[in-house]
Amino acid sequence: AQKVTQAQTEISVVEKEDVTLDCVYETRDTTYYLFWYKQPPSGELVFLIRRNSFDEQNEISGRYSWNFQKSTSSFNFTITASQVVDSAVYFCALTNQGAQKLVFGQGTRLTINP
Amino acid sequence: DVKVTQSSRYLVKRTGEKVFLECVQDMDHENMFWYRQDPGLGLRLIYFSYDVKMKEKGDIPEGYSVSREKKERFSLILESASTNQTSMYLCASVGGLTEAFFGQGTRLTVV
Repeated sequence: AQKVTQAQTEISVVEKEDVTLDCVYETRDTTYYLFWYKQPPSGELVFLIRRNSFDEQNEISGRYSWNFQKSTSSFNFTITASQVVDSAVYFCALTNQGAQKLVFGQGTRLTINP
Repeated sequence: DVKVTQSSRYLVKRTGEKVFLECVQDMDHENMFWYRQDPGLGLRLIYFSYDVKMKEKGDIPEGYSVSREKKERFSLILESASTNQTSMYLCASVGGLTEAFFGQGTRLTVV
């Protein structure tokens, strides 16, 4: 069975601080995909990144970076110099190659205070 | 611009009513999904469909059914709404190995 755990339910930081959102996953598949989605107050989930199980390179996109470590089954997300617009609920998700059914973590509510 | 559109943002229904939640995508995707989002539980899969007239149960199908008569439309049906079905419902579509695209969500309240 697949499982995703986001242990941090809520995080609150002051603007310009760096913040890391943790994601730990469980799967028996050798091929799988990991995702991060952002859900702003409007409700729609916005895709941020997809990473396949064979690519452990870290990814950086502007102020966002992702650290994928198979050895610890983790796919953590860091926001550098956070901004108020980063306030949202963030979800980590996992799928195997075939069914494309996403298994989501519980979500982390991130609040950036001015 | 790709789009997944859910028919209602907010819905209030009475216990026992039959409720239809509609989802339409314009990306010609084969796979469509209905998730339910509750605080502390993340998103949980209710049903999904990988082709017209095909459907598969997800993790929490009890009390729900679905219909997919056309490729672009995937409907979630609450046969007899109950208060424990008060939740946010999210539709998603996926084509090939792309990421899932989500609708804006329907916040359903059953009173």
